[in-house]
Amino acid sequence: NAGVTQTPKFQVLKTGQSMTLQCAQDMNHEYMSWYRQDPGMGLRLIHYSVGAGITDQGEVPNGYNVSRSTTEDFPLRLLSAAPSQTSVYFCASSSYGAEAFFGQGTRLTVV
Amino acid sequence: EDQVTQSPEALRLQEGESSSLNCSYTVSGLRGLFWYRQDPGKGPEFLFTLYSAGEEKEKERLKATLTKKESFLHITAPKPEDSATYLCAVQGPMFSGGYNKLIFGAGTRLAVHP
Repeated sequence: NAGVTQTPKFQVLKTGQSMTLQCAQDMNHEYMSWYRQDPGMGLRLIHYSVGAGITDQGEVPNGYNVSRSTTEDFPLRLLSAAPSQTSVYFCASSSYGAEAFFGQGTRLTVV
Repeated sequence: EDQVTQSPEALRLQEGESSSLNCSYTVSGLRGLFWYRQDPGKGPEFLFTLYSAGEEKEKERLKATLTKKESFLHITAPKPEDSATYLCAVQGPMFSGGYNKLIFGAGTRLAVHP
């Protein structure tokens, strides 16, 4: 029973590099989302998806892209990494109106 | 503006010393309030959902309650394994496609010492 799986767990990038954070869920949930968690702040929504082929922006979308070609996968792309994107990133999935299930997180450092 | 505030930021308890964590919120049209537990280096783990004022949920040493403006997470006779960060989130206004935005508080770091 895997739930929500994120890879990688840790990543160090240089400013200007790009990368993709992977997220997969095996619960057949319609909704998937990406959050970032910074010290002293609550989790903030970056992007979300309500189904395959449908994505939209959350609170802090700048510098990030997403796509959702299948129900299971929801990758997050950093286009040109900046030190301000140093954070812990969580992917979550849920059914309509129900609780969200979170992955184990990706700790990203941009130097 | 929709907002969730948790207090205290950190709490240190002795094993067996009961206490409560607070989550106060302002949101237009509450659709649900969620409590999560987060261990260091891990993702949030779901504990409870509350939907209406007066509702209570219990699980082992934890009990969550809800009023119109706040929620409490009561911890009775805590053990060291209850040490974690506890996050509160409210389900707020609907985004496009029927997605209900989750608004998180910054969390309460709980440390229970033997």
